[in-house]
Amino acid sequence: ETGVTQSPTHLIKTRGQQVTLRCSSQSGHNTVSWYQQALGQGPQFIFQYYREEENGRGNFPPRFSGLQFPNYSSELNVNALELDDSALYLCASHPTGYHYEQYFGPGTRLTVT
Amino acid sequence: AQTVTQSQPEMSVQEAETVTLSCTYDTSESNYYLFWYKQPPSRQMILVIRQEAYKQQNATENRFSVNFQKAAKSFSLKISDSQLGDTAMYFCAFMKHGDWGAQKLVFGQGTRLTINP
Repeated sequence: ETGVTQSPTHLIKTRGQQVTLRCSSQSGHNTVSWYQQALGQGPQFIFQYYREEENGRGNFPPRFSGLQFPNYSSELNVNALELDDSALYLCASHPTGYHYEQYFGPGTRLTVT
Repeated sequence: AQTVTQSQPEMSVQEAETVTLSCTYDTSESNYYLFWYKQPPSRQMILVIRQEAYKQQNATENRFSVNFQKAAKSFSLKISDSQLGDTAMYFCAFMKHGDWGAQKLVFGQGTRLTINP
């Protein structure tokens, strides 16, 4: 157990809908990253938040957005869902200065039909 | 941009055997980290071992060790005395060191390892 939790575990949405995924970081970790893992692939970096501001972004469109809250929890929002958004979404947190120690949550499996 | 390649989609060995998973990477950076992560069916990504590029000595964690060849950009994972609980997807990953901005992991495609009784 890493102390990083994610909710919900599974989610089914229809194309065009919007979805919010949640992550609760380990205590003391003020940086959180989100990754998308398509079936049979390695995770792809979506973006990172540090002290409630986006700190870097991967090759994902603006319909992927996020928030980080003062209590170290965070959200990933995806608008206008597409079938290709079906994936496992992982969040990972780490304390400042220890970026090489990223602790992952168990992920949210999103299915878009 | 960095890329990570794992050329073995699947591997299977008998319990107690030794198995080596391969990984190559491409980067122009001189200072970076390399990782092996394990993802069992529970989906939680678990860090197995970490190597810092400036360290010549290969990292070791109990039954897990790496062979880091910086010039060849190769980073293999050796699992000794394999156990049934080692069955999982294994991902090789890269991270630049000391980057201001997002410290992101770049993952390979993964190797599915099965340990047979």
